[in-house]
Amino acid sequence: SAVISQKPSRDICQRGTSLTIQCQVDSQVTMMFWYRQQPGQSLTLIATANQGSEATYESGFVIDKFPISRPNLTFSTLTVSNMSPEDSSIYLCSVGGAGDQPQHFGDGTRLSIL
Amino acid sequence: GQQLNQSPQSMFIQEGEDVSMNCTSSSIFNTWLWYKQDPGEGPVLLIALYKAGELTSNGRLTAQFGITRKDSFLNISASIPSDVGIYFCAGHRPEYGNKLVFGAGTILRVKS
Repeated sequence: SAVISQKPSRDICQRGTSLTIQCQVDSQVTMMFWYRQQPGQSLTLIATANQGSEATYESGFVIDKFPISRPNLTFSTLTVSNMSPEDSSIYLCSVGGAGDQPQHFGDGTRLSIL
Repeated sequence: GQQLNQSPQSMFIQEGEDVSMNCTSSSIFNTWLWYKQDPGEGPVLLIALYKAGELTSNGRLTAQFGITRKDSFLNISASIPSDVGIYFCAGHRPEYGNKLVFGAGTILRVKS
């Protein structure tokens, strides 16, 4: 399976600031996804990052709050904008999911907002 | 909503015991996946199931895709301390394409 690297692995941020999380894959992939995992909770899909077009957001998530870039088939970024303590979560990127290729996940970015 | 019903929520078992957990839904799924998440890491795929009735093993782990396509179970035989972690079921529903739906997770604690 693809090797997925996320940066940063963790961060502590001030309220009102923004942070961009990077996801790098060691091979070209069609589908890339961004998830949020709130403390003690399961994974919730934020959006699907599409190469060459705008990301597709799930209900409850908007581009202004979580802008996503997908400049090529191996890289994507997720920005968490104007952060508040409620944004404290693990943010995970994943790849795969097309046909019989299951999704694989990066190790996540642990974000704490003070 | 789309959430899968995963049970039990948590388990505390003796080392060497067998473990069973399951996921159910009122909707049909065309893929079932089981992941394990250790502290500080992302979910790691354990088993993927693609056909109704499919029974697949991965070492001490065995999972089945329910014949109705609305459920799946994961069994762990002869549990060991490193089995500790959170286990998630996940699946693809035909109408949602490549998007994964996750269960709430089962926290497994093993007493040595």
